[in-house]
Amino acid sequence: DGGITQSPKYLFRKEGQNVTLSCEQNLNHDAMYWYRQDPGQGLRLIYYSQIVNDFQKGDIAEGYSVSREKKESFPLTVTSAQKNPTAFYLCAVWGQNYGYTFGSGTRLTVV
Amino acid sequence: KQEVTQIPAALSVPEGENLVLNCSFTDSAIYNLQWFRQDPGKGLTSLLLIQSSQREQTSGRLNASLDKSSGRSTLYIAASQPGDSATYLCAVNYGGATNKLIFGTGTLLAVQP
Repeated sequence: DGGITQSPKYLFRKEGQNVTLSCEQNLNHDAMYWYRQDPGQGLRLIYYSQIVNDFQKGDIAEGYSVSREKKESFPLTVTSAQKNPTAFYLCAVWGQNYGYTFGSGTRLTVV
Repeated sequence: KQEVTQIPAALSVPEGENLVLNCSFTDSAIYNLQWFRQDPGKGLTSLLLIQSSQREQTSGRLNASLDKSSGRSTLYIAASQPGDSATYLCAVNYGGATNKLIFGTGTLLAVQP
């Protein structure tokens, strides 16, 4: 995983429930990202953070929330407001000389 | 609109063939371009990163080229092996405040033994 740990690998959400996906990195990068992957579509940006205590909405932020209290951690919460949450979620870090490094992903399914 | 297109969508070749995957992008003002590999149910593995000032990058049997003026990048895989079977994704970074990636939808490669 290149120093990025995502957990859990599989997650099941009931209707109306909030769930949190974990992303931890030990690569000492400031910039962290959450992307969503759906079958037949390219990855889309949900939220990103360039520095601790700061984060910005991406292209599809509705129904999601994040926090960045530590450099190493960037958890993503999928709220009940997200009407179609079933997808594969990927966390990544970015470094100027290395580009992007992705985690192994969390597959979220609504039951 | 910044878009990335990958052709072909799927490719099946016999083992040992050399092959080329294509990526095109609509806006040539890129910061860098990155090729990834994705195995089923897995995350993305970075293969090659090409900065906007570079023409190509090589890693083992892989060679990626970049032609900004024509809005194209190619990934060349030499002497393909069954273990190369995966989805290959091209992603463009336009820099700016986000450094977000614009992804193509990928090429699904199957190398037959």
